[in-house]
Amino acid sequence: DARVTQTPRHKVTEMGQEVTMRCQPILGHNTVFWYRQTMMQGLELLAYFRNRAPLDDSGMPKDRFSAEMPDATLATLKIQPSEPRDSAVYFCASGLGSGGEQETQYFGPGTRLLVL
Amino acid sequence: EDQVTQSPEALRLQEGESSSLNCSYTVSGLRGLFWYRQDPGKGPEFLFTLYSAGEEKEKERLKATLTKKESFLHITAPKPEDSATYLCAVQANTGNQFYFGTGTSLTVIP
Repeated sequence: DARVTQTPRHKVTEMGQEVTMRCQPILGHNTVFWYRQTMMQGLELLAYFRNRAPLDDSGMPKDRFSAEMPDATLATLKIQPSEPRDSAVYFCASGLGSGGEQETQYFGPGTRLLVL
Repeated sequence: EDQVTQSPEALRLQEGESSSLNCSYTVSGLRGLFWYRQDPGKGPEFLFTLYSAGEEKEKERLKATLTKKESFLHITAPKPEDSATYLCAVQANTGNQFYFGTGTSLTVIP
């Protein structure tokens, strides 16, 4: 049963600390998305990779957030330094990204982040 | 400005009481419109993709339709297990952005 995995599932940290979230996309998928979900804003696209290259990161605060794909099986989202307003659920999604039905995104279970 | 608006924010239905959820969008050229279902504490789960006005897709008690300005998710004779938040997203022809609505929280009462 192919699925997107994310670690950690929950993270509590103090303001100013570095937070790293990891995502393993579905094997064979070449597109990876990072989203942030809050009650107020809903789902916001932070960054988007295709074939490991960043396609769009316009939704990401550049001063403290960074996203990378060191290899095809791992995507990371890092926040340094973290702030209380970063508290949210962070979702990773993957897809085939070849247009049409291939644009369907498959979401992971999310990382619930609380910054105190 | 590209945006997606879903209504109502919340909907309570009796089991068997059919209804529709709305997703209105403004986008500079629609590449695709996506419906997802999200259960509490979980990631969104894909339901449908629609590409052009007039297109319809069905899955069990759900049917999605698309016009040039909006999409409807029709729920026929819902059951309690249909309770979830339903999210709509659009992808524009220009750029690489996906825009999600804030969702409709559906509760089906036995």
